[in-house]
Amino acid sequence: GAVVSQHPSWVICKSGTSVKIECRSLDFQATTMFWYRQFPKQSLMLMATSNEGSKATYEQGVEKDKFLINHASLTLSTLTVTSAHPEDSSFYICSARDIFPGGNQPQHFGDGTRLSIL
Amino acid sequence: GENVEQHPSTLSVQEGDSAVIKCTYSDSASNYFPWYKQELGKRPQLIIDIRSNVGEKKDQRIAVTLNKTAKHFSLHITETQPEDSAVYFCAASITQGGGTSYGKLTFGQGTILTVHP
Repeated sequence: GAVVSQHPSWVICKSGTSVKIECRSLDFQATTMFWYRQFPKQSLMLMATSNEGSKATYEQGVEKDKFLINHASLTLSTLTVTSAHPEDSSFYICSARDIFPGGNQPQHFGDGTRLSIL
Repeated sequence: GENVEQHPSTLSVQEGDSAVIKCTYSDSASNYFPWYKQELGKRPQLIIDIRSNVGEKKDQRIAVTLNKTAKHFSLHITETQPEDSAVYFCAASITQGGGTSYGKLTFGQGTILTVHP
């Protein structure tokens, strides 16, 4: 089945640090990947849609300069949390959808990254 | 944009009983409705999905029904087992026609299902 790898799984760092999270589709190609944020006991909130070879599309209220997204290849998207502060602490999850066949493919999720800012 | 409401927020059943979780959506253009199971600290896992051209879909103990007119869909789990205990999320998406909403999943608030042995 389709596998999405997300790295790192856990990050603890000091306030002001920038943190990069990687999302890879291991056995399929994905022109589109999605980044979600999940607070404890809450639902997944879409932050942005990552498009291979073009700029990411951010949801309303998400600061694009704060959460930098790069999707340089069909199998890799990265999310960089710049100058992270304690309020950025959360569970970040990516998902990817196979481009073949057609567009009606389910999204497959990575294992998530638990980010803790001290 | 799309808005998905999910009920109940918590559901407690005895092993062997059935569990039903209901969701409503607001955007009539949504045509794809997946259900995900998420265990604590883990990834959401797709357990079943349904498209708007189908009214019902079943996979062993799990079934999903869709009422397009009323814009609601439901997850049915029969013969529940303790390992079914998890958080379940419904979602809605538009998978046709392109546009800025294409492929984006809007999730419900989640249901914490507890199956007691």
